[in-house]
Amino acid sequence: DQQVKQNSPSLSVQEGRISILNCDYTNSMFDYFLWYKKYPAEGPTFLISISSIKDKNEDGRFTVFLNKSAKHLSLHIVPSQPGDSAVYFCAASEGRGYQKVTFGIGTKLQVIP
Amino acid sequence: DAGVIQSPRHEVTEMGQEVTLRCKPISGHDYLFWYRQTMMRGLELLIYFNNNVPIDDSGMPEDRFSAKMPNASFSTLKIQPSEPRDSAVYFCASSLGTALNTGELFFGEGSRLTVL
Repeated sequence: DQQVKQNSPSLSVQEGRISILNCDYTNSMFDYFLWYKKYPAEGPTFLISISSIKDKNEDGRFTVFLNKSAKHLSLHIVPSQPGDSAVYFCAASEGRGYQKVTFGIGTKLQVIP
Repeated sequence: DAGVIQSPRHEVTEMGQEVTLRCKPISGHDYLFWYRQTMMRGLELLIYFNNNVPIDDSGMPEDRFSAKMPNASFSTLKIQPSEPRDSAVYFCASSLGTALNTGELFFGEGSRLTVL
């Protein structure tokens, strides 16, 4: 039973436009959320995180939005660049410092030049 | 500074053979994780250690899987006997368990296992 769901297996976006990756979760105990990016033949790398006490966290071109009542978060990339083409994993844990992190199955983003 | 180091990067073996995957975490990190990536299930947590002690192995699929961490700088994941359905990419990750960190995991490059 997937506690972190990424329902879109893939997404294609034109360079310069906004990419929006969505994630839903079912475990109400989750209160810390992370996004990881993975290139082929490499391990996932941390991208951005958000605590449940916030509804938005921004880092450069990347913004994560959290809607706790809907158990939904999204990652916005603006503007999208070809180098952003990768698999993006949504992840969640029951608190910052609680180490058991649950991942979604990933969304493959392709940014078309 | 060296990241998480995994070996082998690729392993092809025949059904029934023993497979051992190895991991060296980042020095100073006190948590070590083994994940498995498949197309159908994404990244699944198999087991994690804190200060070399296994904390949660509920993700280990079967008794054929075992993991050890004999010291702070080395861990193994063993599959015996291996089966074709074990074919996947196995990732090792490490992190710092302090409350001040971001909860971020540092992953190795993975070991791609193919069981024929």
